[in-house]
Amino acid sequence: AQSVTQLDSHVSVSEGTPVLLRCNYSSSYSPSLFWYVQHPNKGLQLLLKYTSAATLVKGINGFEAEFKKSETSFHLTKPSAHMSDAAEYFCVVTANQAGTALIFGKGTTLSVSS
Amino acid sequence: EAGVTQFPSHSVIEKGQTVTLRCDPISGHDNLYWYRRVMGKEIKFLLHFVKESKQDESGMPNNRFLAERTGGTYSTLKVQPAELEDSGVYFCASSQKAWTGRLEQYFGPGTRLTVT
Repeated sequence: AQSVTQLDSHVSVSEGTPVLLRCNYSSSYSPSLFWYVQHPNKGLQLLLKYTSAATLVKGINGFEAEFKKSETSFHLTKPSAHMSDAAEYFCVVTANQAGTALIFGKGTTLSVSS
Repeated sequence: EAGVTQFPSHSVIEKGQTVTLRCDPISGHDNLYWYRRVMGKEIKFLLHFVKESKQDESGMPNNRFLAERTGGTYSTLKVQPAELEDSGVYFCASSQKAWTGRLEQYFGPGTRLTVT
């Protein structure tokens, strides 16, 4: 069965320091994985996606994630946090091979201090 | 290009009343999805339309929820009668035809439903 686990419910960083949001997944087939972000009072925005091509995926706003099959991980990173990165981040896996229904992690709230 | 839009943005109703949520997908997107997030829980899939047909409604919680997509354009999600546990944020998403290889789902801003 498909599942995704976000290992931290809250992460706090200082502006200019690196960001690491951790995600582990479980899948009975080669999955598609996504990171979405939700800023306060906004909708969900796609940050990046992995669909079995390059294992290092670059997304918007300087974020990237690396698919590691051996570790069943898909951690999200950014070299230098900006105040505008403060938001809730969701790791997502497709529920089926057709890529229709999505399974969301519980979310990680990122706080950025000056 | 306009994104996914949802109406209303907020709705407050009493237990036992009926509420209808509306979603307008991105033009040309055949696939439309409903998800919801109840307080303190993860976002969960409710159902999936391909054009006007229900492809997968495995996530619908019970028969108080009715989703329609007449004409394969906008969709409505009706809750009748509403219960306290229905409170949460209801998200709609759309995506292009699967054969294009594009699996990204584009989400609307959500409708926050409060049942009192």
